[in-house]
Amino acid sequence: DTGVSQDPRHKITKRGQNVTFRCDPISEHNRLYWYRQTLGQGPEFLTYFQNEAQLEKSRLLSDRFSAERPKGSFSTLEIQRTEQGDSAMYLCASSLDLVAEAFFGQGTRLTVV
Amino acid sequence: QKEVEQNSGPLSVPEGAIASLNCTYSDRGSQSFFWYRQYSGKSPELIMFIYSNGDKEDGRFTAQLNKASQYVSLLIRDSQPSDSATYLCAASDRGSTLGRLYFGRGTQLTVWP
Repeated sequence: DTGVSQDPRHKITKRGQNVTFRCDPISEHNRLYWYRQTLGQGPEFLTYFQNEAQLEKSRLLSDRFSAERPKGSFSTLEIQRTEQGDSAMYLCASSLDLVAEAFFGQGTRLTVV
Repeated sequence: QKEVEQNSGPLSVPEGAIASLNCTYSDRGSQSFFWYRQYSGKSPELIMFIYSNGDKEDGRFTAQLNKASQYVSLLIRDSQPSDSATYLCAASDRGSTLGRLYFGRGTQLTVWP
């Protein structure tokens, strides 16, 4: 296992379209996190899962955003009716419960035109 | 609102010097603190984490935590040009059971030969 994997790495979409991103965490990591990062800012928390349970959602996660982790392994983040303000790097991270280190994937860069 | 503040820099030091990066946090309930390095266009990479007051050393890196002052720092000794990156400070309020991370904006470090 080489780490957290995200797909796609880049996505260009037209405003109003729906997009879905996938994250495969490190094997056996039961916690999975989604963050969003814009240029010049630190990552902003969106949501996290412990196994298949979504434990916390940020207020940033509007009703256009939904995340799932149906079998407690990979996760998807869907953005409906994309807006230009959604343009950002979407980062996924995973960690073992009770262990401090969260490891990030390479991110999916979304550009909404 | 839980905030993590960093001087965005840029901080510029010559090769071989000590680089000092600072971070303050607003929530006294924060228990765990993390330093991530992020190269341009890449995802954050964990360098160190610290829970207890005092210093924690790992190779050329030393993290310092002062909970009374709500202050965290990272010292990089014998700085190398390859250390040139943005350094992100993050805080978590869940102790060893990692929940969401609150990130600062990052400090851009340049090490010149």
